[in-house]
Formats: sequence, structure tokens, C-alpha cells
Amino acid sequence: DVKVTQSSRYLVKRTGEKVFLECVQDMDHENMFWYRQDPGLGLRLIYFSYDVKMKEKGDIPEGYSVSREKKERFSLILESASTNQTSMYLCASSRVSGANVLTFGAGSRLTVL
Amino acid sequence: AQKITQTQPGMFVQEKEAVTLDCTYDTSDQSYGLFWYKQPSSGEMIFLIYQGSYDEQNATEGRYSLNFQKARKSANLVISASQLGDSAMYFCAMREADSARQLTFGSGTQLTVLP
Repeated sequence: DVKVTQSSRYLVKRTGEKVFLECVQDMDHENMFWYRQDPGLGLRLIYFSYDVKMKEKGDIPEGYSVSREKKERFSLILESASTNQTSMYLCASSRVSGANVLTFGAGSRLTVL
Repeated sequence: AQKITQTQPGMFVQEKEAVTLDCTYDTSDQSYGLFWYKQPSSGEMIFLIYQGSYDEQNATEGRYSLNFQKARKSANLVISASQLGDSAMYFCAMREADSARQLTFGSGTQLTVLP
């Protein structure tokens, strides 16, 4: 089974702190994604990457950056956390070919105080 | 405009009965894919079923089936013989041809199965 692991299940940070959310997948998937989930809004794409060192903005990239130095790892960075970034963050990965089914991690619930 | 619309924020169903979760989509592409995911209270998104726009048959996976009506741009999820473990949030999603790698999600439907 494909496994996507998010390093932190719950985080509490203060406004202005730099936050790193790490995601690792173990099935050699080319594509990796970061989504944000908020009640009533569903999942919104922040950034995605289709190859090492490649990244593309999603629908809501403001306030976020990403890093993909290795194929299996995709990091989401909040340079200066704000309270409106309190949310559930979901990482996912997929192959290039086929139906492009996303496999998700368990999520990281971030609270910014 | 919303690309994926789920109009039912919450649904209740009696155990062992069937339930339909609605999903309508908006795209001008001829080639696209439609997905349903389940999210239990634990938080992890679980892939349930996929329908390609050119698939002539409705997709089925065990107790899940996708009622695909292309002309109406709807892709409803039907769960037969509901179980208590089906209680979860359900998301409809679409991949368009020009966004070959990413999915656009609806706002979700919270399904509660009653004993």
C-alpha cells in the first residue's frame, strides 16, 4: 500500500513563527500536493509539485512556500504564521499515469495563536 | 463559479438503507475524471470510486456506485446497505484535462448512519 506520512498530527504555533510541515511518500510517486481543509470550503490546493525541485502554485498560495529537494519529500513552509492559517493541512501524492488517484496523509492540524 | 457543487451539507440515513450523495460539476472539457473520497473522523482521506468522462458504464466498487449523468453534469454517489462505519464526510472531486495532475474538491457532505 502507498503510504503518505505527515510528520506532525497536531501543532500549536504563535503568530509570526516559521512553521514547517513535512510530508513523505514511499511509493515513488511523481506528483505531490498540499491542500488546506476548512469547514464548508472543502479542500483547496496550496501548491503542488510534479518533479524534484519543481513547484506550481495552486489556488491559495499566498503566505505559503514549498520545497521538494527529494522525490519522496514535499515540505510546506509558513514563513510567518498568522491566525488565519489555522487549519487542517493535507498532503497527497499520485502517479503521473492512470486515473491520477490521490493518496492522502492523515493530515496536520495547525493552530496559530 | 464553483466547479464542484455538493448541495447537502449533512445527510442522515438508517442503517441498511441506501443513500445518494449529490454532486454536480462544471467544466467545458470533454475529457475529465470524477472522484469520490471518504473522510472519517480520524481525518485521513480514503479514495472510494472513479469515473472517467468517456466511460460508458457507471463505476461500481462494492457497495459504492457512481450515478454518472453526463448531460446533467452530475456524478452522484450511491451507497447501498449503509453501515454505521459509513458515517463520515464525503467529498466529490474532479480532474480536468488542462489540470492533469490536480483535483478540485467540493465542500463535502457529512453523512450520519443511524442505528
